[in-house]
Amino acid sequence: AQTVTQSQPEMSVQEAETVTLSCTYDTSENNYYLFWYKQPPSRQMILVIRQEAYKQQNATENRFSVNFQKAAKSFSLKISDSQLGDTAMYFCAFMNDQGAQKLVFGQGTRLTINP
Amino acid sequence: EAGVVQSPRYKIIEKKQPVAFWCNPISGHNTLYWYRQNLGQGPELLIRYENEEAVDDSQLPKDRFSAERLKGVDSTLKIQPAELGDSAVYLCASSLDGQGVETQYFGPGTRLLVL
Repeated sequence: AQTVTQSQPEMSVQEAETVTLSCTYDTSENNYYLFWYKQPPSRQMILVIRQEAYKQQNATENRFSVNFQKAAKSFSLKISDSQLGDTAMYFCAFMNDQGAQKLVFGQGTRLTINP
Repeated sequence: EAGVVQSPRYKIIEKKQPVAFWCNPISGHNTLYWYRQNLGQGPELLIRYENEEAVDDSQLPKDRFSAERLKGVDSTLKIQPAELGDSAVYLCASSLDGQGVETQYFGPGTRLLVL
């Protein structure tokens, strides 16, 4: 079974700083997908970014980028020029490509952006 | 485009009482998911529907939980009788179809407190 581990329960940075959230996972599969979801205090889970394991190029979405290290089974999220609206719980998630459509989530990292 | 709609947003009940949650997915989304999110943890899949068919209910505690999606659109998740350990946020999500790795869109969730 796949597992996802987020080792940072909480992080706090100043507005405009860059912050990196860590995620590691365990799987024996070669093809899979990784996601970062954001859950603001209102609780609506929002997809931030996704990465296909077969792609070597790291995914980027505006201020959000990932560092995908397949051999190390590491998938970190970098937020550049952080904004107050980035304050939220961030969840790393894994999905295999076997058609199960099942997201396996990590425990989450609570990120606070301070003014 | 309207997002995933869930109701109620909050529910407080006494143990042994029944409770039901309702979800209306994004229009045109054939796949519907119910997740449970315990406090301080990531969501865990309870059941996944492809249209009217429950294709993955392996994590659903069938002795007290039931779900239905009769017309392949909205869905109801029921707990009867509720136990103290059922206190959690119940999230509904939907995606376009189950053929590929489609992005899952989440609703705001129903926060259940069992006293």
